[in-house]
Amino acid sequence: GAVVSQHPSWVICKSGTSVKIECRSLDFQATTMFWYRQFPKQSLMLMATSNEGSKATYEQGVEKDKFLINHASLTLSTLTVTSAHPEDSSFYICSARAGRKGAVNQPQHFGDGTRLSIL
Amino acid sequence: AQRVTQPEKLLSVFKGAPVELKCNYSYSGSPELFWYVQYSRQRLQLLLRHISRESIKGFTADLNKGETSFHLKKPFAQEEDSAMYYCAPLSGGSYIPTFGRGTSLIVHP
Repeated sequence: GAVVSQHPSWVICKSGTSVKIECRSLDFQATTMFWYRQFPKQSLMLMATSNEGSKATYEQGVEKDKFLINHASLTLSTLTVTSAHPEDSSFYICSARAGRKGAVNQPQHFGDGTRLSIL
Repeated sequence: AQRVTQPEKLLSVFKGAPVELKCNYSYSGSPELFWYVQYSRQRLQLLLRHISRESIKGFTADLNKGETSFHLKKPFAQEEDSAMYYCAPLSGGSYIPTFGRGTSLIVHP
């Protein structure tokens, strides 16, 4: 089956540090990847949609300069939390949608998530 | 605004009892509908999708356009069904997935 690898799984760093999270589709090409944030005991909140070769589409209220997304290849999307602060501490999850461009009704395949803790 | 509602935050049943996890959506048109499941300490994974009309692990879900619902059902719950379940419609317009708040299913022995 389709596998998504997300790395790192856990990050602890000082306030002001920038943190990069990688999301890779291992055995399929993903023209579209999604980045979510999940607070404790809450649902997934979509942050942005990452499209290969183009700019990401951010949801309302998500700072694009704070959460930089790059989707340079069909198997890799990265989320960089710039100058992270304690309020950015959260669980970040990526997902990838298999299928050719335009196959928008395909299911998503999820990474394991990244626990980010900013001190 | 397009919304998906899972009214039950927690559903607790005994093994062998029927289970129904409710999901209502407010999308117009004919959205593609998915149920995802997250078992303890595992990643989210697809459970089933409307278009395939298949039964996975004994679960089925029927789309009711009149009631705009896509409830997930299983006639006899098993302990291994204990997990977090998310309803996730995909709107016909933007194709952006939206997740409900999730329902935690606990199946007691």
